[in-house]
Amino acid sequence: GAGVSQSPSNKVTEKGKDVELRCDPISGHTALYWYRQSLGQGLEFLIYFQGNSAPDKSGLPSDRFSAERTGGSVSTLTIQRTQQEDSAVYLCASSLMSGRVYNEQFFGPGTRLTVL
Amino acid sequence: DAKTTQPPSMDCAEGRAANLPCNHSTISGNEYVYWYRQIHSQGPQYIIHGLKNNETNEMASLIITEDRKSSTLILPHATLRDTAVYYCIVRVVSGQNFVFGPGTRLSVLP
Repeated sequence: GAGVSQSPSNKVTEKGKDVELRCDPISGHTALYWYRQSLGQGLEFLIYFQGNSAPDKSGLPSDRFSAERTGGSVSTLTIQRTQQEDSAVYLCASSLMSGRVYNEQFFGPGTRLTVL
Repeated sequence: DAKTTQPPSMDCAEGRAANLPCNHSTISGNEYVYWYRQIHSQGPQYIIHGLKNNETNEMASLIITEDRKSSTLILPHATLRDTAVYYCIVRVVSGQNFVFGPGTRLSVLP
């Protein structure tokens, strides 16, 4: 596709359930990022993948959150035992790291997660 | 990454230039200034970036002061579709994540 895609666009779940959010980055982009945005707030960095390097997990808020990136492309963000405070829009972005001096990130439309 | 300060909100008349300021007084020599915007219910969109020279593209112009402690994003002819939250971010080119502050909510008025 031409841009970053995410699925599902909306997810409603019950407290305590696990959820998986998917991100398809732009083809060829080696860097992939996950952010979340609570209602009316700015973006909060969660995790970053770059090529085959170990991911930067410094932004994950708890051990209930995990992410993986298979084959250097698609990424899945998993939230276990969801809590109401996990309700937010989860945004994925990708960027090209090719030695250029700038690496703007291209964002997907996000997944709106609502935990009841 | 250096912190930035932006006004929380601004209004602009349709067709007029929108000038959005950003202060980044603690910016380091190797940090770039990036601008993104987020239209309601969409993911952020890259607008422009620069190091120390003024930059222009099809979307906007970026004016960076000589001391690099502040910058201004200029939308030359604002339209209603430019209504969005505009984020000013400074970061090193090798930096990983972008740190998004609260941004400036620009309202373009008819």
